[in-house]
Amino acid sequence: DTEVTQTPKHLVMGMTNKKSLKCEQHMGHRAMYWYKQKAKKPPELMFVYSYEKLSINESVPSRFSPECPNSSLLNLHLHALQPEDSALYLCASSQEGPSGSGETQYFGPGTRLLVL
Amino acid sequence: GNSVTQMEGPVTLSEEAFLTINCTYTATGYPSLFWYVQYPGEGLQLLLKATKADDKGSNKGFEATYRKETTSFHLEKGSVQVSDSAVYFCALKASNTGKLIFGQGTTLQVKP
Repeated sequence: DTEVTQTPKHLVMGMTNKKSLKCEQHMGHRAMYWYKQKAKKPPELMFVYSYEKLSINESVPSRFSPECPNSSLLNLHLHALQPEDSALYLCASSQEGPSGSGETQYFGPGTRLLVL
Repeated sequence: GNSVTQMEGPVTLSEEAFLTINCTYTATGYPSLFWYVQYPGEGLQLLLKATKADDKGSNKGFEATYRKETTSFHLEKGSVQVSDSAVYFCALKASNTGKLIFGQGTTLQVKP
């Protein structure tokens, strides 16, 4: 089973709202990732957690706040977003950290976010 | 630096036609190479991968061979179906940074 689940599937929020995206995997993977994907573009890496510790932050604005409560769960807390933050947010996981040779990242279906 | 270049789309084919989507890369060291597929409204699915030179990845009738001499990983399928219509992303996993570097994506449209 290579399933990564994400909730919600769709989210509409105002610029003053606080919301959270949730990602879950039960494959025993120890690395989890957040990506942002704009229409007709490839995914862009935002954050990497390796063994429940933040290992990569790609200079993401502080209005995005990741959290890894345990090895199976990854959250992305959203606050005071801008309309240009509207995008598909993808979660991924891999067995080991990103430096693992040949490590495959498995993606979830994504949360489609619209900021009004 | 590390980068991936894919042929621009959209690629439009008739059902049962032969498919090639070109992918070339620039990388430090010995990257792993991947093809992901994204169906409309969905996330990315791993299609196939290759971790060293001359490896061939294959899945669901798709194939790609890791060619170090030409730094390429072209995706091929002998007979496409309407259900193959999607965006295809070539990606490399850089051995120096561990990050996944994507190409720009190629949209495939298969008409009946």
